[in-house]
Amino acid sequence: GAVVSQHPSWVICKSGTSVKIECRSLDFQATTMFWYRQFPKQSLMLMATSNEGSKATYEQGVEKDKFLINHASLTLSTLTVTSAHPEDSSFYICSARPDRGLDEQFFGPGTRLTVL
Amino acid sequence: GQQLNQSPQSMFIQEGEDVSMNCTSSSIFNTWLWYKQDPGEGPVLLIALYKAGELTSNGRLTAQFGITRKDSFLNISASIPSDVGIYFCAGPRNTGNQFYFGTGTSLTVIP
Repeated sequence: GAVVSQHPSWVICKSGTSVKIECRSLDFQATTMFWYRQFPKQSLMLMATSNEGSKATYEQGVEKDKFLINHASLTLSTLTVTSAHPEDSSFYICSARPDRGLDEQFFGPGTRLTVL
Repeated sequence: GQQLNQSPQSMFIQEGEDVSMNCTSSSIFNTWLWYKQDPGEGPVLLIALYKAGELTSNGRLTAQFGITRKDSFLNISASIPSDVGIYFCAGPRNTGNQFYFGTGTSLTVIP
């Protein structure tokens, strides 16, 4: 149980294009999901909290118009990197917090984004 | 903001040795989570601790929730090559549903 999938696992795109990443909780419902960014040999950096049915909450310094988040159902959140540039290249990881009241979260396998 | 400090930052050990790492914070937590991350993968939850003083095992892994609620420990017994990876601790923020993550401990097991 508690499986989270992410799609795609990797993507290469040209500068200026938009990229959408999907995060799904496969066997549980999650009102709350999180999007992280991770640089090589560093810890996870929280970008935003995705809330089903309401607007996402962004961490300080994260551009909400750059990183669009949609949490349309209790099992799906999407992150769209708009007008991607090479500096957006990174490893993006989502996680989901099951709606069962415990402090826990389960991570997806991550998406490697490379912007040329 | 809050930062969880993990120690040591990295470890190089012989296969078969036991491993011990810890995580400390400046404030009290009611939950401690331990994750392992393999290269190019998302973190995988190893152990969750919900009670001060709690000692929980998962196979060769044992984690403890410190009595002060400001620290937690993770031990790995009889290490094997597949234990290689980065281990992160995490604890919930006081407000909202977000989590703080530790700085990570990189483990290398030498066969």
